Amino acid sequence: DTGVSQDPRHKITKRGQNVTFRCDPISEHNRLYWYRQTLGQGPEFLTYFQNEAQLEKSRLLSDRFSAERPKGSFSTLEIQRTEQGDSAMYLCASSNEGGRFFGPGTRLTVL
Amino acid sequence: QKEVEQNSGPLSVPEGAIASLNCTYSDRVSQSFFWYRQYSGKSPELIMSIYSNGDKEDGRFTAQLNKASQYVSLLIRDSQPSDSATYLCAVNIEETSGSRLTFGEGTQLTVNP
Repeated sequence: DTGVSQDPRHKITKRGQNVTFRCDPISEHNRLYWYRQTLGQGPEFLTYFQNEAQLEKSRLLSDRFSAERPKGSFSTLEIQRTEQGDSAMYLCASSNEGGRFFGPGTRLTVL
Repeated sequence: QKEVEQNSGPLSVPEGAIASLNCTYSDRVSQSFFWYRQYSGKSPELIMSIYSNGDKEDGRFTAQLNKASQYVSLLIRDSQPSDSATYLCAVNIEETSGSRLTFGEGTQLTVNP
């Protein structure tokens, strides 16, 4: 499968715990994006990498959120001290120019 | 005003009919436009992109763009039950800091057999 992959697909955690998600983009894509989606809404932009450089972060991304793309390939998104409001689908997408291609997402449930 | 607005739906059409999905955007410098299909519980799937005024056809799908009116639409001809999904309109602006893609809230389409 040469599409975008994400791991894990589902994560259930207790409030206050830290979680980390991984995204492997399409190999020839230099841009990588993280989005968050809640029920009935379109995806909301969180952050964006061009190769290994994090070029933009949304105001939605509080200090509890951090993302890395250490070698310009895969990326991780960490949420520290999770809150119930963090429950959502976290989507990773990659592209060169043009439309983003999304991975299957990681569904996070914070109890 | 929301940056990207879609007709709220839900939209219901009979099998074989034309489904029309509409989207307006607020930022005049928007450069490229995309339609995504999202099945329940799945991630968005890119189905159409359009960059210049006019129509773009791909199989049963036609995207229409009117930059003067800040309007983009998606027509689905010969609608099938498998087309039942939420359709997301997305608008892109290339900036020096990168590329900003903004989504609408989506329109839920049901095609009835």
